Amino acid sequence: EVQLMESGGGLVQPGGSLRLSCAASGFTFSAYAMSWVRQAPGKGLEWVSTISGSGGGTYSADSVKGRFTISRDNSENTLYLQMNSLRAEDTAVYYCAKNSGTYDYFDYWGQGILVTVSS
Amino acid sequence: QSALTQPASVSGSPGQSITISCTGTSSDVGGYNSVSWYQQHPGKAPKLMIFDVSKRPSGVSNRFSGSKSGNTASLTISGLQAEDEADYYCCSYAGSSTLIFGGGTKLTVL
Repeated sequence: EVQLMESGGGLVQPGGSLRLSCAASGFTFSAYAMSWVRQAPGKGLEWVSTISGSGGGTYSADSVKGRFTISRDNSENTLYLQMNSLRAEDTAVYYCAKNSGTYDYFDYWGQGILVTVSS
Repeated sequence: QSALTQPASVSGSPGQSITISCTGTSSDVGGYNSVSWYQQHPGKAPKLMIFDVSKRPSGVSNRFSGSKSGNTASLTISGLQAEDEADYYCCSYAGSSTLIFGGGTKLTVL
């Protein structure tokens, strides 16, 4: 059974940093791209960032480019999102998602973790 | 890049069929057969319902179907049931390893 479990969320001040983690199990982690998708309170889903299975390719939305860094540790089956220079508009539930083998859809999702950026 | 365009809400009575549209451009929906649909109940994670425009994952009811014409994709739910009441999101590959979601549609079962 595929399981994705996010951690590391919480309250942070504007301009601060936070690192999210996603522990994966139930599949060959290194064989699949992984992504972060976020959802602001009462709003829709927004793709944030994706990393290839090897970690050699990373891709991010313009809204977070230069501030957020996606990475992975295939020896620990863990996905990360380093978030710097946080803004109020980054407040959202952040979901870890497994990409399909063809990359272009998300076949499994974590339960989500709330990040609140506020003074 | 702007979000794909979905109606904010749709509604239908039990047993009826509804269709949710998802309009993009030739750079996303129209350019690739890579449209997926997700169902999200309040407070829950999204669930994959349709991938590659019209394919259903194992375990998803055949009451859910997908299609595409030009720059617009559609999700149809037939034989509406109370449990179908949820938010629905389309998503498309948009080139250069990027993905884009629609704004979401709230389905109300009357």
